[in-house]
Amino acid sequence: DQQVKQNSPSLSVQEGRISILNCDYTNSMFDYFLWYKKYPAEGPTFLISISSIKDKNEDGRFTVFLNKSAKHLSLHIVPSQPGDSAVYFCAAREISGYSTLTFGKGTMLLVSP
Amino acid sequence: KAGVTQTPRYLIKTRGQQVTLSCSPISGHRSVSWYQQTPGQGLQFLFEYFSETQRNKGNFPGRFSGRQFSNSRSEMNVSTLELGDSALYLCASSPGQPNTEAFFGQGTRLTVV
Repeated sequence: DQQVKQNSPSLSVQEGRISILNCDYTNSMFDYFLWYKKYPAEGPTFLISISSIKDKNEDGRFTVFLNKSAKHLSLHIVPSQPGDSAVYFCAAREISGYSTLTFGKGTMLLVSP
Repeated sequence: KAGVTQTPRYLIKTRGQQVTLSCSPISGHRSVSWYQQTPGQGLQFLFEYFSETQRNKGNFPGRFSGRQFSNSRSEMNVSTLELGDSALYLCASSPGQPNTEAFFGQGTRLTVV
């Protein structure tokens, strides 16, 4: 049973436009959410996170929105750049305090010039 | 500040052998988690160590084990290797407290032949 779902396997966006990556979760015990960017054969790179007590967090070109009632979060990248092309993973952590992350399957973002 | 270091980067082993992978976390981080990434299953949690104690474990067979040393460095061991153990093994370093980010190493690519 997938507790974190990224329903879009891929997304294509033009340079300069907004990229919106979506993530849904089913576990009500998740209270901390993270987004990672990953290139093949490398480790994930942390991008941005959000606690369940917030509904928005911004860091430069990256903004994460959290809708707790819908159990949905999204990552907005504005403006998108070709270097943003990678696989993006949504991850969630339970309120237990353990550091265990549950990952979605990822969305491959392709930003074309 | 040094990042998360995983060694070796690449390994080729034969079925039936055993392997040990190493992870040095970010200085000051007390939590080390291990993940397996395969094309079919995505990123799956193996186990987490915090202050030398395993405090969470994923759904992997007992052939997968780990430990953490007093300096927070961690090793994971896989015994009696199977072809299906071929994967990218990732280590994540975290302070181990709620609402803190986790940072990944570059991973160890294990190929079992």
